[in-house]
Amino acid sequence: GAGVSQSPSNKVTEKGKDVELRCDPISGHTALYWYRQSLGQGLEFLIYFQGNSAPDKSGLPSDRFSAERTGGSVSTLTIQRTQQEDSAVYLCASSLGWGNTEAFFGQGTRLTVV
Amino acid sequence: AQSVTQPDIHITVSEGASLELRCNYSYGATPYLFWYVQSPGQGLQLLLKYFSGDTLVQGIKGFEAEFKRSQSSFNLRKPSVHWSDAAEYFCAVALTGGGNKLTFGTGTQLKVEL
Repeated sequence: GAGVSQSPSNKVTEKGKDVELRCDPISGHTALYWYRQSLGQGLEFLIYFQGNSAPDKSGLPSDRFSAERTGGSVSTLTIQRTQQEDSAVYLCASSLGWGNTEAFFGQGTRLTVV
Repeated sequence: AQSVTQPDIHITVSEGASLELRCNYSYGATPYLFWYVQSPGQGLQLLLKYFSGDTLVQGIKGFEAEFKRSQSSFNLRKPSVHWSDAAEYFCAVALTGGGNKLTFGTGTQLKVEL
């Protein structure tokens, strides 16, 4: 596609449920990043994938959060046993490589935990 | 750990007036520096970046930023603001060689009065 695509655009879930957020990066981009944007914490790095290397998970806030990237393309961010503090906009970005090339961001998934 | 400070949460300027958004960083070495803009309902868009070399960098939409090592600052400027510039602006840093693993400031919301 022309840009980074994220789905769903909005998700409302009940506390304690699991959710999956999807990111389709720009074709050919080998690096993929997840960020979280919330009122209390601002924009935070969560995790990145680069090619076949082990992902950098250093930003994941708890073990309830996990992500995978299948076939070097689509990525899924999973939040288990959601809590109200997980409510945020989850942003995905991709770039051509790990070097300091421009990262292109998707429009995000707004997650609301009720 | 590196940090980014954007001291102005909100700024209001008149259309046609000049603009300067402040950004200070804390890091042991010179990081890579970025400015992003986020319009309502939109993802983040890169305005400009500094890696090395000329300390005055030009970006899109008529924006520029100046890196001042002595002040650990990377302020964003525009000589004449347009109403369409109303948005939220984020300064971000990355470790040298740290790709797009970004640490963001808290953002500055720009309002443009007609």
